[in-house]
Amino acid sequence: GAGVSQSPRYKVAKRGQDVALRCDPISGHVSLFWYQQALGQGPEFLTYFQNEAQLDKSGLPSDRFFAERPEGSVSTLKIQRTQQEDSAVYLCASSPNKRELIYEQYFGPGTRLTVT
Amino acid sequence: LAKTTQPISMDSYEGQEVNITCSHNNIATNDYITWYQQFPSQGPRFIIQGYKTKVTNEVASLFIPADRKSSTLSLPRVSLSDTAVYYCLVGAGYSTLTFGKGTMLLVSP
Repeated sequence: GAGVSQSPRYKVAKRGQDVALRCDPISGHVSLFWYQQALGQGPEFLTYFQNEAQLDKSGLPSDRFFAERPEGSVSTLKIQRTQQEDSAVYLCASSPNKRELIYEQYFGPGTRLTVT
Repeated sequence: LAKTTQPISMDSYEGQEVNITCSHNNIATNDYITWYQQFPSQGPRFIIQGYKTKVTNEVASLFIPADRKSSTLSLPRVSLSDTAVYYCLVGAGYSTLTFGKGTMLLVSP
């Protein structure tokens, strides 16, 4: 079946612009996650949804970052007034929430954001 | 948060068994141990998850000693396509699962 998809795959933004990154999770997956991965580093947790409820946003680096999942399926990560330090790959993951594999997540290919 | 320590890199040859050990001395009672694999320009891929003793699936085995202060991911008979970064994650709760820098495994012919 189809995996997690993300769009766009690449985004170049001028400093100060707003960007919106889209994630389509695997159909039926209740949980959805956003991560930020800087070059040479592992992914860092940003936020987590269960259905449409944002249960944890402790990893969002500033109030310029906002995520939503209004209908419990597609999610959008919005970054306002982008800064150069926002340049990274943004990864989306979804999870079926199996009781026996509670940390099994399926990741998308990511969106590479470059802020110039 | 449980801090993990794993080798920065490892080298192996095709057909060999590879064991990657992760130290997590301050693991908490509720923490699970999860391993992911990541290829360049791709998102991480779940490999295996365990709590104690040994877990095996079609891809790998995970060995966890009784004190749970370390864990070892075992990859049988690696191939060139197993060249990737491998992450050990320890925690209970998604925001506590830290990927760290991982172990870069290079498999040579």
